[in-house]
Amino acid sequence: SAVISQKPSRDICQRGTSLTIQCQVDSQVTMMFWYRQQPGQSLTLIATANQGSEATYESGFVIDKFPISRPNLTFSTLTVSNMSPEDSSIYLCSVRTIMTGELFFGEGSRLTVL
Amino acid sequence: GQQLNQSPQSMFIQEGEDVSMNCTSSSIFNTWLWYKQEPGEGPVLLIALYKAGELTSNGRLTAQFGITRKDSFLNISASIPSDVGIYFCAGREVRDDKIIFGKGTRLHILP
Repeated sequence: SAVISQKPSRDICQRGTSLTIQCQVDSQVTMMFWYRQQPGQSLTLIATANQGSEATYESGFVIDKFPISRPNLTFSTLTVSNMSPEDSSIYLCSVRTIMTGELFFGEGSRLTVL
Repeated sequence: GQQLNQSPQSMFIQEGEDVSMNCTSSSIFNTWLWYKQEPGEGPVLLIALYKAGELTSNGRLTAQFGITRKDSFLNISASIPSDVGIYFCAGREVRDDKIIFGKGTRLHILP
């Protein structure tokens, strides 16, 4: 399995500000993803982070709100822009391994927007 | 979008009891994954299934990939207090290779 480090682990933010979450993986992986988990809910895919190119967003998520970078095979960032209380969620970085296709998650970043 | 139907939504059981939960889908999957999530943590992969009919165990956990490729179940035998958490199924669709998640089963163990 891959070891995934996310930071910050949690933050409290003011409405209208932006926050960037970092994800570092200890090995080269084929695919990196960002998920959102709203309070008491399941996991929803935000986007696939593509190395060196624009991320692929799922329906309902746009680049202006959730810009994503992936400069290399082991690192990605997700920015939550112009935050509102509705953005209060856990944001999870996940990776799919080359060999098995299994999906592994980081610890998540718990954001609270006041 | 596509969602998995996971049931039950929650369970209240006595310690020592066996637990069973399942997921169904309207589309065909080529992978089923079962996760456990505890408060403040990310989901942890418990079992991965790759073939129709495959039955895999991980300690007291057993999961099966349904023959129709549209369902999977997870059983926990002889539950213990540390089994408390939310269990998610996830499946990888054949048509677009995306992994989608069920809504979770919240397991509570009564004292």
